Amino acid sequence: EEQLVESGGSVVRPGGSLRLSCAASGFTFDDYGMSWVRQTPGKGLEWVSGITKNGGTTDYIDSVKGRFSISRDNAKNSLHLQMDYLRAEDTALYHCTRGWLGGPLNLWGPGTLVTVSS
Amino acid sequence: EIVLTQSPGTLSLSPGESATLSCRASQSVSSQLAWYDQRPGQPPRLLIYGASRRATGIPDRFSGSGSGTDFALTISRLEPEDSAIYYCQQYGTSRPLTFGGGTRVEIK
Repeated sequence: EEQLVESGGSVVRPGGSLRLSCAASGFTFDDYGMSWVRQTPGKGLEWVSGITKNGGTTDYIDSVKGRFSISRDNAKNSLHLQMDYLRAEDTALYHCTRGWLGGPLNLWGPGTLVTVSS
Repeated sequence: EIVLTQSPGTLSLSPGESATLSCRASQSVSSQLAWYDQRPGQPPRLLIYGASRRATGIPDRFSGSGSGTDFALTISRLEPEDSAIYYCQQYGTSRPLTFGGGTRVEIK
């Protein structure tokens, strides 16, 4: 069964850091670009970052550029999101998704909750 | 950034009826548009991609249409399990990927 499972979400103070991870299974991980998408009741679904299948190209929404860094380890079938200088507005459920450039997001993980609060 | 506007905000229908959901883009996305559903407590699930192609395992009650800036998702013969929020998303060449605000479908 194709599956994505996120981990690493937590409560963190403003200005703090977190590292999210996503474990992929049931498919050939390095055949796909990957993305992180976050979800809040107020803003709905928001694509945050994407990475190509070999990790050579990455992109971010403007609000997280310089603070977040996406990476992947194809040997370990894992995707990561390093989140620094966190802000209250980064509070969300973060989903790991399969897909990015030129294609839909055709597999989603259940998400990991990040809460930024003092 | 391409803005996607979904309408209506909520649809309340009976089992067996049909639902038509609209998604309008602020500029052309060609046919690079997808639809997802999200049931309570679940992540979004891909229903339609390429504006009209059903994803694997999606029943033919779900159909997508449109190109350019105007798109529609039609759900025929509504079933209680179709109660969900439906989102459109564009994955065209204009960064970043963006989503619509969603349409809630309630089955009475």
